[in-house]
Amino acid sequence: SAVISQKPSRDICQRGTSLTIQCQVDSQVTMMFWYRQQPGQSLTLIATANQGSEATYESGFVIDKFPISRPNLTFSTLTVSNMSPEDSSIYLCSVTGTGQAPQAFFGQGTRLTVV
Amino acid sequence: GNSVTQMEGPVTLSEEAFLTINCTYTATGYPSLFWYVQYPGEGLQLLLKATKADDKGSNKGFEATYRKETTSFHLEKGSVQVSDSAVYFCALIPAHAGNMLTFGGGTRLMVKP
Repeated sequence: SAVISQKPSRDICQRGTSLTIQCQVDSQVTMMFWYRQQPGQSLTLIATANQGSEATYESGFVIDKFPISRPNLTFSTLTVSNMSPEDSSIYLCSVTGTGQAPQAFFGQGTRLTVV
Repeated sequence: GNSVTQMEGPVTLSEEAFLTINCTYTATGYPSLFWYVQYPGEGLQLLLKATKADDKGSNKGFEATYRKETTSFHLEKGSVQVSDSAVYFCALIPAHAGNMLTFGGGTRLMVKP
């Protein structure tokens, strides 16, 4: 299993500003995933972060808006840039466990409100 | 591509009622299947999983059976409690896709005393 610490747990931000969300894992992992959960919606994958290379973004998400860092195998950050009220969501970090059967683990999420 | 479809909510039940939340999927090969639960104000927790056909995942009284012939993974519980009120997500990891989860839309369950 993996324990993921994500912070901040919540924040209220002014439009036009940026927020960086941190994700720390208690073990080394190859891939880390960042998801967005808009109010009342399911989870949508933003990007996959690999250590030592640029993140891979899903359709509809761009690096300028959601820059990601992955400096080592246990840590990643997601920045939500130039925020607008439409960015109000829960942002979640996830990793998958090793072993015979895949399993995903999640941080507790960051609840972002943009005013 | 891969997709997960689950019944829309909210599902409202009385305490001790029987619960079924339907989930069907589209994927090539044999994906791994999961149910996650999100309690109010909290993050996602793995509820149960199944990794091959006819496997039954179970946890906390919840069960789901991996049905390859119907591409389904319906969640069931014989007697729900108020504390089961949450949003439930069905998800899959394809057989060869770098362990990336595809989620269903989520089903909100409300259990009344």
